[in-house]
Amino acid sequence: SAVISQKPSRDICQRGTSLTIQCQVDSQVTMMFWYRQQPGQSLTLIATANQGSEATYESGFVIDKFPISRPNLTFSTLTVSNMSPEDSSIYLCSVVTLLSSYNEQFFGPGTRLTVL
Amino acid sequence: SQQGEEDPQALSIQEGENATMNCSYKTSINNLQWYRQNSGRGLVHLILIRSNEREKHSGRLRVTLDTSKKSSSLLITASRAADTASYFCATPPRGNEKLTFGTGTRLTIIP
Repeated sequence: SAVISQKPSRDICQRGTSLTIQCQVDSQVTMMFWYRQQPGQSLTLIATANQGSEATYESGFVIDKFPISRPNLTFSTLTVSNMSPEDSSIYLCSVVTLLSSYNEQFFGPGTRLTVL
Repeated sequence: SQQGEEDPQALSIQEGENATMNCSYKTSINNLQWYRQNSGRGLVHLILIRSNEREKHSGRLRVTLDTSKKSSSLLITASRAADTASYFCATPPRGNEKLTFGTGTRLTIIP
């Protein structure tokens, strides 16, 4: 498994502002993902964070709204831009480690975002 | 869209009883994974069952997989109050690492 930390753990933000969420892993990983979980809902994949290149976004998510960086194998950031109340969600990063078999994913503790 | 659907959506049982949750999916898979989420926080990986396996055990957890019916079940035996959580199944479509999550089952264990 991997130890994954996220910062901040929670935040309350004003409409129109942006928040950057950090994800740090204690070991090298092959893949990193960002998910969103809206209140009372399941998880939806936002994008795959690619090291040194642009993230791969899922349908319905765009780079201008959710810019992602992954400068190395153990760190990634997700920015939620120009926030609105509809962006209130838990944002989670997940990883597939070098030792994972069959692509088991391990999740960070999540960032709970509330937009007023 | 969500590939998997769990049922029931919510389940309340007495402590000590067994809890069974079911998951259905739509496409061919390499494996199916079950996760637990406490109080809207991070997910904990519980167990992974491969597409060529039919049953797997881990402690008080028992998972079955029926690829012909595209369904899986998670059984938690001798439930405890600490098992209160939401449980999700997740599948990476064959040839893909990305997980698609089911709708989840909210399990409440009544002391």
